[in-house]
Amino acid sequence: DVVMTQSPLSLPVTLGQPASISCRSSQSLVYSNGNTYLSWFQQRPGQSPRRLIYMVSIRDSGVPDRFSGSGSGTDFTLHISRVEAEDVGVYYCMQGTHWPTFGPGTKVDIK
Amino acid sequence: EVQLVDSGGGLVQPGGSLRLSCAASGFSFSNYWMIWLRQTPGKGLEWVANIKPDGSVINYMDSVKGRFTISRDNAKNSLYLQMSSLRDEDTAVYYCARTDFNVRSTPDLWGQGTLVTVSS
Repeated sequence: DVVMTQSPLSLPVTLGQPASISCRSSQSLVYSNGNTYLSWFQQRPGQSPRRLIYMVSIRDSGVPDRFSGSGSGTDFTLHISRVEAEDVGVYYCMQGTHWPTFGPGTKVDIK
Repeated sequence: EVQLVDSGGGLVQPGGSLRLSCAASGFSFSNYWMIWLRQTPGKGLEWVANIKPDGSVINYMDSVKGRFTISRDNAKNSLYLQMSSLRDEDTAVYYCARTDFNVRSTPDLWGQGTLVTVSS
């Protein structure tokens, strides 16, 4: 299976400041059709995961534009331009190019 | 409202069986690939099984092959996971989810989860 790694695993952030989370895959995530199936999910405390971004950089409907995704091949990043209190939770990257696998998660909390 | 509601979790002894259900509403269930995933503190999120809209294609993660069976009833807008020969390591919160219609193997809607505890 494709192994997804994330860094950091814990990210204390200051409100209003930017934050970024790195995600790396053990194999290229480019599918045979040229698309890259890398998604980001947010899991707030006590809730189910919620998809924020798919295909590397496409934001889901209703997701604030302070969230953005970038990357290619095996290296990807989730950016939060200005962290708000409601952003506290665990963030997961996930690949769907091969048998789907998730990263271990990055816990974001407020300093 | 577009939603998935998971049910059927509980405490079961090792070697026992349990059937999870997922009720879908607010969307055309019969048009979507559906998934069961699970989450544990130790292994994180895992993709357990998925099933094609007409049920003709099914895939399982290696550790549950031969023990778990995913199925669906499109007339009832329902997804199921029959789990047998349960092991301690199957203890997890199980989620049903819908796969995005246009994006390969990517869940875009999740249920609230149901806790399965395998313990004697």
